[in-house]
Amino acid sequence: SQQGEEDPQALSIQEGENATMNCSYKTSINNLQWYRQNSGRGLVHLILIRSNEREKHSGRLRVTLDTSKKSSSLLITASRAADTASYFCATESRQAGTALIFGKGTTLSVSS
Amino acid sequence: GAVVSQHPSWVICKSGTSVKIECRSLDFQATTMFWYRQFPKQSLMLMATSNEGSKATYEQGVEKDKFLINHASLTLSTLTVTSAHPEDSSFYICSARERPSGEQYFGPGTRLTVT
Repeated sequence: SQQGEEDPQALSIQEGENATMNCSYKTSINNLQWYRQNSGRGLVHLILIRSNEREKHSGRLRVTLDTSKKSSSLLITASRAADTASYFCATESRQAGTALIFGKGTTLSVSS
Repeated sequence: GAVVSQHPSWVICKSGTSVKIECRSLDFQATTMFWYRQFPKQSLMLMATSNEGSKATYEQGVEKDKFLINHASLTLSTLTVTSAHPEDSSFYICSARERPSGEQYFGPGTRLTVT
């Protein structure tokens, strides 16, 4: 099962530009997490935001969460070619012991 | 941080054979482990939830007789793909929920190719 949608599905930008990806979900959550995945590789955990938080920063990453709209955004500032990857949001529901459910992902391509 | 390993990292098998994938939590105990499948250019889809010492819970549409899951200890879960077919070719990723923190950690994945 998948929790929701991410948009855009694909995003192409130049180095130095900012990249914004959005994620919507359907159920009540404990937290929402963002992951990066390079082609054919495993997941890299980027950031976790809890349901009682509205914004969180980590380096060049900024994540927002709007629980009233059931949506989140991931902003990568001053993008680099190395940021080229697929980005997924994943939600943990309020039900104890449940798995993270992933969105469909955004494929980001940063050209130099 | 907590580490989850998977073995093998990639495997090629012939159609009709079975293949076992191991998922281990290396430095923590995991009462719950999860198995995901990812087809090319798609997201991770949850296949099943595995609790130590009990039967796995499969997501709708996942054949439990085809994908056998065993979680015999607090650090090891195995996924056996039985009678594999080319359409089972995929990237299989496990994750383990650490107790007591409840944090979920992912393995590096196993790429299965069925010829």
